[in-house]
Amino acid sequence: ETGVTQSPTHLIKTRGQQVTLRCSSQSGHNTVSWYQQALGQGPQFIFQYYREEENGRGNFPPRFSGLQFPNYSSELNVNALELDDSALYLCACGEGAAKNIQYFGAGTRLSVL
Amino acid sequence: AQKVTQAQTEISVVEKEDVTLDCVYETRDTTYYLFWYKQPPSGELVFLIRRNSFDEQNEISGRYSWNFQKSTSSFNFTITASQVVDSAVYFCALSLGDSSYKLIFGSGTRLLVRP
Repeated sequence: ETGVTQSPTHLIKTRGQQVTLRCSSQSGHNTVSWYQQALGQGPQFIFQYYREEENGRGNFPPRFSGLQFPNYSSELNVNALELDDSALYLCACGEGAAKNIQYFGAGTRLSVL
Repeated sequence: AQKVTQAQTEISVVEKEDVTLDCVYETRDTTYYLFWYKQPPSGELVFLIRRNSFDEQNEISGRYSWNFQKSTSSFNFTITASQVVDSAVYFCALSLGDSSYKLIFGSGTRLLVRP
């Protein structure tokens, strides 16, 4: 039990639609990172938020965007969904840099048809 | 370039056998951190261990042990007397420097422990 909650657990969308995924941490960790995990692969870093601002970004297009709220909860938004966006989306909450332990949620499984 | 390689895609053992999961990393940074995470079927990544680049001491925690060797850029993970509950996907990950905000993951090793 990591104390990180993600919703929804599963989602089915069609190509071109938009989706919002949510993440919250019971412990109030001040950073939240989002990762995309394609089937059979390791998680890939999308971006991190710290104090409600984007703090770093991986190799993902601008149609992937996010928000962090004052209570440290977060949203991941993906516009113009593509078939390749089908994946498990994980959020990780922690304090500061990635060298500190990041606590992961169970993820949202997104299927794009 | 920074990279983590887990060459073993899948390992199958019988309960009570010992098993070692390999992890090789690449970085030119002198300060970095290495991690192991476990991903059970539920999906969440469970933190197992963190090591910094200046601490090459091996570590043992119950049935788990880790062997960090900078000379071979390896951070291997051994489970002694494996149990069915150890069945999961295991990921090795790397973060760079003291201020890096991202983890670089390997592709994972799926471990199946058969009764």
